[in-house]
Amino acid sequence: DTAVSQTPKYLVTQMGNDKSIKCEQNLGHDTMYWYKQDSKKFLKIMFSYNNKELIINETVPNRFSPKSPDKAHLNLHINSLELGDSAVYFCASSQAGEGDETQYFGPGTRLLVL
Amino acid sequence: QKEVEQDPGPLSVPEGAIVSLNCTYSNSAFQYFMWYRQYSRKGPELLMYTYSSGNKEDGRFTAQVDKSSKYISLFIRDSQPSDSATYLCAMSAGFQKLVFGTGTRLLVSP
Repeated sequence: DTAVSQTPKYLVTQMGNDKSIKCEQNLGHDTMYWYKQDSKKFLKIMFSYNNKELIINETVPNRFSPKSPDKAHLNLHINSLELGDSAVYFCASSQAGEGDETQYFGPGTRLLVL
Repeated sequence: QKEVEQDPGPLSVPEGAIVSLNCTYSNSAFQYFMWYRQYSRKGPELLMYTYSSGNKEDGRFTAQVDKSSKYISLFIRDSQPSDSATYLCAMSAGFQKLVFGTGTRLLVSP
């Protein structure tokens, strides 16, 4: 009955590889996000989708491509992985509405690029 | 200069102490303010949510927002070892684009 789930939890891979992280939410929310948390715990938004439409796209390299097959899923594909991509990636979801900006986070995917 | 500034700590207190965590910000458009708690190797979980200025209390936790000073606080009364975590402030001007502080690591010793 996990609200926001991510797979895999851990990902160790070589530089240059392509990898995907999956996210699913069962809260019925219409907006989903990807965040990156660096080694200093700084959490920064990467992308946001509302009803499968991209609404926030921060300055992220084009090697990162989000895909939302439906409202409950938001996947993140990363091409040509680099050492600097090593971080914890969090998926989150929320329900768009006036006066409520709260977001609910998944457990995170720890990516280590060697 | 970051939009949201937060002392990274660590902040070490004995059990039972009152803890004060703070953030300052520069964007006067922020009107939604949140505190998240993050345990080691877990995702952030929402603790408190406040709209605009004022206070909000929930059990041992009190959130304060002073928009005139661009300053928000989280107070934890009767702190417990289980409160040991990283506390992240977050704020938004709307449209669900949250900007986070760097987090303050809190250690409560028994």
